[in-house]
Amino acid sequence: QVQLQESGPGLVKPSETLSLTCTVSGGSISSYYWSWIRQPPGKGLEWIAYIYYSGSTNYNPSLKSRVTISLDTSKNQFSLNLNSVTAADTAVYYCARSLYGAGFDYWGQGTLVTVSS
Amino acid sequence: SYELTQPPSVSVSPGQTATITCSGDKLGGKYTCWYQQKPGQSPVLIIYQDNKRPSGIPERFSGSNSGNTATLTISGTQAMDEADYYCQAWDSSTAVFGTGTKVTVL
Repeated sequence: QVQLQESGPGLVKPSETLSLTCTVSGGSISSYYWSWIRQPPGKGLEWIAYIYYSGSTNYNPSLKSRVTISLDTSKNQFSLNLNSVTAADTAVYYCARSLYGAGFDYWGQGTLVTVSS
Repeated sequence: SYELTQPPSVSVSPGQTATITCSGDKLGGKYTCWYQQKPGQSPVLIIYQDNKRPSGIPERFSGSNSGNTATLTISGTQAMDEADYYCQAWDSSTAVFGTGTKVTVL
């Protein structure tokens, strides 16, 4: 059974960089797209970015200038960096797996990141 | 940017049919997925490629997609189906989620 687990700081100061890692267990990172998705408290889902196991990436245009996604196949992990954060970046951040053009079939449990001084 | 619009809320009586729509420009030309999210939990994929159910998803969940509208139908709605539902499609290699619909089982 594939499992995804997010890790990283729960509190980030304004203007700093939010960094999260997703560890994939129970399956290989190969042949799938790996995404970050977030959900502000009480609001809907917003896709942030994906990275393919080959290393190709794509970003939400509204966040592209502040986001970097990376992959470490040796550790079965992928990571998110979001810089210059503001209170509007406060959200539950999920990592998730998909096949291209298909749905997100496995999700992490989510991690709440609060941006506050 | 591409947008998917859902009704904010849908109410349904137990045993009845709930219908949730998802509207987007030429959505019928894209594959649509649906997710169920209960409070404090991660979303769960319940429909992919318009009308396919992942293993373990009850048959009462079904989907369709044509024109500018995708539809999720819950037949014989149960109290456990009370949740938020989101549609999702891919547009120019970016994933787009719908605005979400809260289903209340009265």
